[in-house]
Amino acid sequence: DAGVTQSPTHLIKTRGQQVTLRCSPKSGHDTVSWYQQALGQGPQFIFQYYEEEERQRGNFPDRFSGHQFPNYSSELNVNALLLGDSALYLCASSLLYEQYFGPGTRLTVT
Amino acid sequence: DAKTTQPPSMDCAEGRAANLPCNHSTISGNEYVYWYRQIHSQGPQYIIHGLKNNETNEMASLIITEDRKSSTLILPHATLRDTAVYYCIALPSVNTGTASKLTFGTGTRLQVTL
Repeated sequence: DAGVTQSPTHLIKTRGQQVTLRCSPKSGHDTVSWYQQALGQGPQFIFQYYEEEERQRGNFPDRFSGHQFPNYSSELNVNALLLGDSALYLCASSLLYEQYFGPGTRLTVT
Repeated sequence: DAKTTQPPSMDCAEGRAANLPCNHSTISGNEYVYWYRQIHSQGPQYIIHGLKNNETNEMASLIITEDRKSSTLILPHATLRDTAVYYCIALPSVNTGTASKLTFGTGTRLQVTL
């Protein structure tokens, strides 16, 4: 059984560009959450998707948006990238209460 | 969600028990205590959770004080592979049937040494 997978592993973008990160949840999981982890900090909750709808959202600007597909996979989109968006982006899937995290996508904005 | 407080770092000799404390003095009656850990360059990993009774699984034991204001995660025989950042998180009841957002602090960096 594959765990949570994320792509790409690493990404380098320029300020002002847009980026899309992808996540495939663990088999049977219907909820996907996204987190941003800056260097030396704990992960910060961005938003959560369930039944293709955004169910919860953290304190992130509208530049951060997402989508969940019928197969429960998800995308995180970030527009107008800023240097401060450089971070590890983590996806977590869950069925009930336990969240399983993927390895993350390391985004560098130059 | 209740705020949790953890020491920034701890050391433990390999083979010894690692006892990681967490203070959650404002925890409410329906909030569980969850522990996750993050090994370098990996995503966080669920360890254990509990409400008021002590809990044990194949990874660790969780001891929660009777007043629920603090808890201790115990790794009974720490190995080098247990070197990681450990996060203590207070979460509302699991009985909602949905996964709550996790509010991570800065955690405790546990260094296991030979």
